[in-house]
Amino acid sequence: NAGVTQTPKFRVLKTGQSMTLLCAQDMNHEYMYWYRQDPGMGLRLIHYSVGEGTTAKGEVPDGYNVSRLKKQNFLLGLESAAPSQTSVYFCASRNRGMDGYTFGSGTRLTVV
Amino acid sequence: AQSVTQLDSHVSVSEGTPVLLRCNYSSSYSPSLFWYVQHPNKGLQLLLKYTSAATLVKGINGFEAEFKKSETSFHLTKPSAHMSDAAEYFCVVSLTGTASKLTFGTGTRLQVTL
Repeated sequence: NAGVTQTPKFRVLKTGQSMTLLCAQDMNHEYMYWYRQDPGMGLRLIHYSVGEGTTAKGEVPDGYNVSRLKKQNFLLGLESAAPSQTSVYFCASRNRGMDGYTFGSGTRLTVV
Repeated sequence: AQSVTQLDSHVSVSEGTPVLLRCNYSSSYSPSLFWYVQHPNKGLQLLLKYTSAATLVKGINGFEAEFKKSETSFHLTKPSAHMSDAAEYFCVVSLTGTASKLTFGTGTRLQVTL
């Protein structure tokens, strides 16, 4: 089915470890986004991309890096994980001129 | 700048009674407004959206919302709640333009009782 696929779905990290979350979309969307969801805070934008090879900071970018080497993929990296990064991470995509966003099913990350 | 305030963090209704989830927004320009629903341990599903067309917007599963510019509100309603409506609901605002980043409210948890 067409849509946004996030891998992995679950992960437990130790403090200081690194990891990369992958977001892949097969709808040829221009824009892609990474959000984190924490209890009582809704979703907050981490980084976003308006096209292949471009990225920009969102509301809470510290401690994260991103890359968009291919149009269909948007990677979120944690170089040195901290317990404060325990969260559920959602990827989303949309096309220029469209109002609808397609969300992935989320990645639940726990940092111990 | 844009922001969204969901006025209730938790709403409880009986099955078959009306649902009202309240949302106020702040935006410098004409916004696009959305309601998303998230069932437990699931992703986000779009319920409905307002993008400067009709002010009364009908969505899926019997939900609707009315855009009131004078009150800067976009409240979500449903005439009769069903048990399957129990979920978390997010009001979201977006500005038209490059990237059109979404700004989420903090969510309202809807509980439906028998």
